[in-house]
Amino acid sequence: GQQLNQSPQSMFIQEGEDVSMNCTSSSIFNTWLWYKQDPGEGPVLLIALYKAGELTSNGRLTAQFGITRKDSFLNISASIPSDVGIYFCAGQLTGGGNKLTFGTGTQLKVEL
Amino acid sequence: NAGVTQTPKFRILKIGQSMTLQCTQDMNHNYMYWYRQDPGMGLKLIYYSVGAGITDKGEVPNGYNVSRSTTEDFPLRLELAAPSQTSVYFCASSYPPIWGGAPTDTQYFGPGTRLTVL
Repeated sequence: GQQLNQSPQSMFIQEGEDVSMNCTSSSIFNTWLWYKQDPGEGPVLLIALYKAGELTSNGRLTAQFGITRKDSFLNISASIPSDVGIYFCAGQLTGGGNKLTFGTGTQLKVEL
Repeated sequence: NAGVTQTPKFRILKIGQSMTLQCTQDMNHNYMYWYRQDPGMGLKLIYYSVGAGITDKGEVPNGYNVSRSTTEDFPLRLELAAPSQTSVYFCASSYPPIWGGAPTDTQYFGPGTRLTVL
């Protein structure tokens, strides 16, 4: 089955640094979503992107929907300890139950 | 609102045993989903439902069954547990897109059930 390629797999950064991660697919999607998963919890939606080229912010998070509709990236500015977790991208095609295809995840660790 | 609730939180099964993972949502969502998450991996869709009485296979349905007799409940059944089914299982729900509104919907996830098959 299809799975989105997400990079990097893990990151270990200093508090206050900016973070970038991206997600690529061999097929196009109508919607790109970014989720965060804390240990022992289910994923929580951070940002949803609906149009190719769209740039959307949510506090310190900024995400973009790639022009080709096959990729997306997420930036986190001025990281803080509570940013620790696993970040997943997900692509969605409208219709047919609006199923999500998830990326492999980026594990973020923040050093104080 | 409790959102999406799942029971049990943890379970250990022996090979060949059966069990049902429960999922309930109180948000009146039409769409519900079951995913599994293996260590270090993203979530993979097992089954989904677009409404009561309607279910369909996802990417990895083998070894599982579902039913959707009510809007609120979407149980996942394992008939003959195998070690390959050791995983964390997440249930999710969402509204379908509303005409003229946002082109897609937000899936809300439950806290997960951690299943080990020995």
